[in-house]
Amino acid sequence: GEDVEQSLFLSVREGDSSVINCTYTDSSSTYLYWYKQEPGAGLQLLTYIFSNMDMKQDQRLTVLLNKKDKHLSLRIADTQTGDSAIYFCAEKGTGGFKTIFGAGTRLFVKA
Amino acid sequence: DADVTQTPRNRITKTGKRIMLECSQTKGHDRMYWYRQDPGLGLQLIYYSFDVKDINKGEISDGYSVSRQAQAKFSLSLESAIPNQTALYFCATATGSSYNEQFFGPGTRLTVL
Repeated sequence: GEDVEQSLFLSVREGDSSVINCTYTDSSSTYLYWYKQEPGAGLQLLTYIFSNMDMKQDQRLTVLLNKKDKHLSLRIADTQTGDSAIYFCAEKGTGGFKTIFGAGTRLFVKA
Repeated sequence: DADVTQTPRNRITKTGKRIMLECSQTKGHDRMYWYRQDPGLGLQLIYYSFDVKDINKGEISDGYSVSRQAQAKFSLSLESAIPNQTALYFCATATGSSYNEQFFGPGTRLTVL
């Protein structure tokens, strides 16, 4: 079945780059996503990448997609304390109407 | 005002009680979803609906039921609550666009004693 896996915790120092990694199983996924969840709030779409792309950059965010290895990563440059949150990797599930979420990576940013 | 609202935000109940969680949206989206979030497990889909007459079971629908009263309202019911239904519940909407971005409510924290 469809599955998305990611590590549960990441700790970085303020100003450093953060890299959050994710693997997925569905080779037919057309879209892959990164959602951000801040404390006490629902998830919010941070960025997404279409499966025919290898990289997408949006200001401090860089998404890399390796379709061969089914690996997705999110790099946050110059990480700030305000980036502390849970980051969910997700894929557009088979049929196109469901989104399959990973367990989320909790990012701690130390001042 | 928030586009996707959930009520209540927190609820404590006892085993065997019937509970209803409500979701309302002003985004005009046809697609609505109910998820459950448990620590370390991410989001699990309970039910989803593409319009008022279209209701579908998700991965973990046992013990839950839903009602889509209108395009803007989607309610989740626990017929007889049990302790392992203690979790954070999220409602979400989506446009149905090709990339299917979902918009989440703030969540309802449910505790079943």
